[in-house]
Amino acid sequence: AQSVTQLDSQVPVFEEAPVELRCNYSSSVSVYLFWYVQYPNQGLQLLLKYLSGSTLVKGINGFEAEFNKSQTSFHLRKPSVHISDTAEYFCAVSGTIGSGNTGKLIFGQGTTLQVKP
Amino acid sequence: DSGVTQTPKHLITATGQRVTLRCSPRSGDLSVYWYQQSLDQGLQFLIQYYNGEERAKGNILERFSAQQFPDLHSELNLSSLELGDSALYFCASSVENRGEQYFGPGTRLTVT
Repeated sequence: AQSVTQLDSQVPVFEEAPVELRCNYSSSVSVYLFWYVQYPNQGLQLLLKYLSGSTLVKGINGFEAEFNKSQTSFHLRKPSVHISDTAEYFCAVSGTIGSGNTGKLIFGQGTTLQVKP
Repeated sequence: DSGVTQTPKHLITATGQRVTLRCSPRSGDLSVYWYQQSLDQGLQFLIQYYNGEERAKGNILERFSAQQFPDLHSELNLSSLELGDSALYFCASSVENRGEQYFGPGTRLTVT
């Protein structure tokens, strides 16, 4: 079984400050990891993904995340946030090819990023 | 725009009724996934189809069913609706059986 824990339900931050949204996962098999963003009244947009290779992955809108297998974490970071980054952020995990698991995504409960002027 | 389309955008219906939600995946994607998003349960996987065949089932109620057609579009059928079925229903697609998924804008279902 797999599970995802997003350690903060809300993260308030001032504009142009750095931010880190924390995500830990649990899995008995190898995983793929994802971050999605959801703006109000919209669907989920893929921010970035870790499938294999370099543990530091870069995504859209200046976001990046680091896969840490020993700590089972996949924290999302941005060096300088904008008002437009205000949204809900979801961390998700799925099993890899060959893991025996399906491609379904298991989501965390979400973190609301509130960027203040 | 993810390339995944869902209709209708909003649906308001009464308890006991039946509705059908429709999803068209991105061009070239063979897998379709359905998810339910609610305040109390968060984002929950319902069911996956790959190239017309059911591949995985999640916490999908027996009152709910889905299928994927030869043109790869998918429909989610919800019957004997209850107030607790009110939620956002998302469809997502991916090229293969796993990997990154691209989400549609969702259908907001309100059961009164």
